[in-house]
Amino acid sequence: KAGVTQTPRYLIKTRGQQVTLSCSPISGHRSVSWYQQTPGQGLQFLFEYFSETQRNKGNFPGRFSGRQFSNSRSEMNVSTLELGDSALYLCASSLGDRGNNSPLHFGNGTRLTVT
Amino acid sequence: AQSVTQPDIHITVSEGASLELRCNYSYGATPYLFWYVQSPGQGLQLLLKYFSGDTLVQGIKGFEAEFKRSQSSFNLRKPSVHWSDAAEYFCAVGARGGATNKLIFGTGTLLAVQP
Repeated sequence: KAGVTQTPRYLIKTRGQQVTLSCSPISGHRSVSWYQQTPGQGLQFLFEYFSETQRNKGNFPGRFSGRQFSNSRSEMNVSTLELGDSALYLCASSLGDRGNNSPLHFGNGTRLTVT
Repeated sequence: AQSVTQPDIHITVSEGASLELRCNYSYGATPYLFWYVQSPGQGLQLLLKYFSGDTLVQGIKGFEAEFKRSQSSFNLRKPSVHWSDAAEYFCAVGARGGATNKLIFGTGTLLAVQP
């Protein structure tokens, strides 16, 4: 079974631009979560989608948004990029129907650099 | 506030030596507990999880962890470390029974293995 696929792997953007990251979950998984990983703040939860609905959201500004499609694929968007948005963005999928009874499976991430 | 503490930022062990990585958590009730490993440029891989029952849980790659409720700890152990175990290790907690997969991660312990 294919794992979680994130595209692109690397991205370089300029301050003020916007960016869209994509995540394809493991087949059959209905929950997709996004995390931001930085050396200073570590792994921080962004949001989680289940069956196209956002069911949890972390403490990030409104510039960070996401969505999930009917095939469970998910995208996250960051608008008006700031230097501090440079990070590894990790997507994780799970069956999701019983909360944390379903372990997360992570993709290899998208490395975003904002210049 | 809910939090996870990994007091050791960096640990170096010799190949063949035993390993123990510490994890303490602060949570309203006993959470679900996880250990993940991250190799450079990769996503996170689940090593093991504790949901209930036997407080000593076995994971992949020869790792085990022991849940101690009285100490709010979930330390990871391995009797004999291999050079391929060099990576960053993250402890994480998640809510029981909730309809969310949100995890709170510790700041990680970077493991170096010397020959």
